[in-house]
Amino acid sequence: EAGVAQSPRYKIIEKRQSVAFWCNPISGHATLYWYQQILGQGPKLLIQFQNNGVVDDSQLPKDRFSAERLKGVDSTLKIQPAKLEDSAVYLCASSPYATNTGELFFGEGSRLTVL
Amino acid sequence: AQSVTQPDIHITVSEGASLELRCNYSYGATPYLFWYVQSPGQGLQLLLKYFSGDTLVQGIKGFEAEFKRSQSSFNLRKPSVHWSDAAEYFCAVAPSGGGGADGLTFGKGTHLIIQP
Repeated sequence: EAGVAQSPRYKIIEKRQSVAFWCNPISGHATLYWYQQILGQGPKLLIQFQNNGVVDDSQLPKDRFSAERLKGVDSTLKIQPAKLEDSAVYLCASSPYATNTGELFFGEGSRLTVL
Repeated sequence: AQSVTQPDIHITVSEGASLELRCNYSYGATPYLFWYVQSPGQGLQLLLKYFSGDTLVQGIKGFEAEFKRSQSSFNLRKPSVHWSDAAEYFCAVAPSGGGGADGLTFGKGTHLIIQP
């Protein structure tokens, strides 16, 4: 079974530029999460989708971050314009369940460096 | 708001020795509790979870954790560590009851170093 795929794995941009990350969850997984992991910290939830609807985006900085999940499958997370403090690893996770059982499957992440 | 505290940033253990990683949480009710491991260059992997019932839970790779309601703790243990256990360990909580906004809240992690 293929795991959660993320791209790009690495991205370096200058502040005020834009960037987009893509996530392809495990086939059939209903729930998709985006997390931000800053160096030395635990992952922080940005947004949760169930199928193609947003369940929770309370911690998403909506002035610069946006996310969508097209047709309830792939998802894209965009940052525009980027700030220095956005340097982090962006993790995508998916779950086959609508209710959180903790069995999240994580991708390897996309590492963003903002200069 | 819920929070998770992992008081040890780094822990060094000799191979073959026992291990205990500490986790305390702050939450209005008993949440769902989890331990994840993150090895270099790899995604987070679920080690074990507690929802209800027996307070001692068994996980993969020989790990176990004990839920203590009175101490709001969920410490991870292993009787004998292997060099391959070197990794970052995260404790996490999620709202119990299911449904709706139920993403994980993670602690800052404990970096485990194994000495030969």
